Order: sequence, then structure tokens, then C-alpha cells
Amino acid sequence: EDKVVQSPLSLVVHEGDTVTLNCSYEVTNFRSLLWYKQEKKAPTFLFMLTSSGIEKKSGRLSSILDKKELFSILNITATQTGDSAIYLCAVEASAGGTSYGKLTFGQGTILTVHP
Amino acid sequence: DTEVTQTPKHLVMGMTNKKSLKCEQHMGHRAMYWYKQKAKKPPELMFVYSYEKLSINESVPSRFSPECPNSSLLNLHLHALQPEDSALYLCASSQDRLAGPGELFFGEGSRLTVL
Repeated sequence: EDKVVQSPLSLVVHEGDTVTLNCSYEVTNFRSLLWYKQEKKAPTFLFMLTSSGIEKKSGRLSSILDKKELFSILNITATQTGDSAIYLCAVEASAGGTSYGKLTFGQGTILTVHP
Repeated sequence: DTEVTQTPKHLVMGMTNKKSLKCEQHMGHRAMYWYKQKAKKPPELMFVYSYEKLSINESVPSRFSPECPNSSLLNLHLHALQPEDSALYLCASSQDRLAGPGELFFGEGSRLTVL
């Protein structure tokens, strides 16, 4: 069974701090890893990583995937109160036609940024 | 603003009621998904439609009945639900399931309460 584990489960920081969120996975036939941010309702897409060692960056957020060690990290620098959210890691695996399109989500990391 | 529109945003129903959740996207995506999310838990996949055909059913009870009338619309028909079915129901779409979910676009969800 595919498994995605995120750590820490929750994190409280102050504005300006840098945070690192972790995601480890065990899946058969890994295809891609995705990061989402969920505030009040819909998860919003942040990054998709398919190749090892490549860093994706968008403003203060960046992410890297290590396919050998089976983990990914999401870094947020100079955090702001608007970064407070649940950050979800999801892994897509392919195992024949029936598994295409299936994402397995981790439990999420609840990030709280205080002013 | 999300490009996946879900209605209603909130729904309260009794265990004997029949209701439907609706989802619409106009991005030309050919894969659409229903996810269920309980409080403080990650989204769990329920159904995947690809090119208007049901391709994944994650062993969902028959009291949930999906329907995809056309490539832009996805419905979830509800009948004889249980209180434990209360959750946030998220609809999502992606370009092409056969190419992997890649970036999923989520709707804001329908918050369902079963009394």
C-alpha cells in the first residue's frame, strides 16, 4: 500500500522565520510528487516534482525531491502570517491503468505563523 | 478564485433525503475527481472520471453515486447517507488522467452535514 508521511504535523513560528516541511514516501512505481497549500477550503497547487534533485522555486517557496532517499522538502523563507495553512504532500504512482490519476496524500503539516 | 465551481457550498440533509452535489469546470480538462475530506485529515479519493467514463471507484458505498453528464460537469448523488458521511467533498479536475493527475485544480468544496 502506498504511504506518504509528513513531518512535523504542526509547526508554530514567527514572521520572518524560515521553515522546512518534510515529506517521505513509499510507493510502487513513483510518478510525481506534488505540494498543495490548503487554507480554509480548496487545496491550491504549489509544485510538482518528477525528477530527482531539481529544485522548484516560486518566490519565497522552494521544493526539492530526492528520489533515491524517497523524500521531498518544502522550504518557506521569511514567513508571513498569510503562509499559515495546512501544507499537503501528495504522491502519484502508476501501476497499470487502474492507478493512473490516483494521488495519495500525507496527513499534512499545519503551519501557524504569528506576527 | 478557483476555476472549479462546486454547488452547494453547504448542505444539511437527513438520512432519508436524496440530494446532489454539483461540480463544473470550463478549462477543457478531461479528468474529474471526487475527494472526501474529514476534519484535520487529508483528502481521500472517491471516484475518478476520465473522458466522461468512470475509471476509478475507491470502494465507495453505493449510497454515493457519481455521474458525469459531459466533460465539464460532475455530479455526486447522495442517498440514505449516514452521519459519519459528514465531511467536505472536494471536486477536482486535471488535463488528462492518462497522463497522470499532475496539477489538480480543486473546487472550494461542499460542506455536507448529515443529521
